[in-house]
Amino acid sequence: QVQLKETGPDLVQLTQTLSITCTVSGFSLTTYNVHWVRQPPGKGLEWMGAMWNGGGTDYNSAFKSRLSISRDTSKSQVFLKMNSLQTEDTAKYFCARQTGSAPFDYWGQGVMVTVSS
Amino acid sequence: DIVLTQSPALAVSLGQRATISCKTNQNVDYYGNSYMHWYQQKPGQQPKLLIYLASNLASGIPARFSGRGSGTDFTLTIDPVEADDTATYYCQQSRNLPFTFGSGTKLEIK
Repeated sequence: QVQLKETGPDLVQLTQTLSITCTVSGFSLTTYNVHWVRQPPGKGLEWMGAMWNGGGTDYNSAFKSRLSISRDTSKSQVFLKMNSLQTEDTAKYFCARQTGSAPFDYWGQGVMVTVSS
Repeated sequence: DIVLTQSPALAVSLGQRATISCKTNQNVDYYGNSYMHWYQQKPGQQPKLLIYLASNLASGIPARFSGRGSGTDFTLTIDPVEADDTATYYCQQSRNLPFTFGSGTKLEIK
C-alpha cells in the first residue's frame, strides 16, 4: 500500500540547516510528485515545494533560496534541506503525494522540528 | 499567489448540517475542472483528503461529505454531522503554483 514516512531531527539550532528524508513505498517517484508542506504549532498548512516526477523542482518563493529538494529514486527517497533556520521555522513537516493538478492524496505522519536558540 | 479565505470556526449541533465556505481571490477553474480540494485534519494527525476537484468524494469518505462550487466560491457540506467530525477543515487550490491552503475552519459539534 501507499506509504510516506518522514525522518529527521527533533531539534535544530538557530541558523543551522534542517535535513528531512521522505521515504515512500507503494508507488514510484518517477510516476508521482512528492511535495513538502509544513504546519507551525496551532497554525495552518503552508506549501513549501515539490519534487516533480520528471525530476524537476519548484519552490514557494517565501523560502527564497533557503530551500532545496532532491531525490534518490533508487531508494524511493525525497529530501528536504533548508538552511538559516529561525524560530519561526518550528513546525511539523509533512511530505505528500500528488499527481497532475490533483490533490495531495496520501500524506506522511509528519516530523515535528523545533528550532532552538 | 491565490489567496483562499475561510471562516475560522463553526459550531453545529449533532445531526445537523455543517456548511464550510472557501472563497478565492482568483478563478481556480480550468478547462471544465475546478482545482479546489478539501481536507480534514484532527489534532496530531496529518490532513486527510475528503473532496477533490470541488465535488468528487475521495476514496473511503462517507457520502455525508459533499462539495460544490466553481470559479471563486466553494463549499464543503457535512450532513448530518457526527461527533467524530470535530476537526479543522482546509481548502486547497492546485490551479496555480504556489499551491495554497485556506487558513482552516475549526468545526465544533454541539
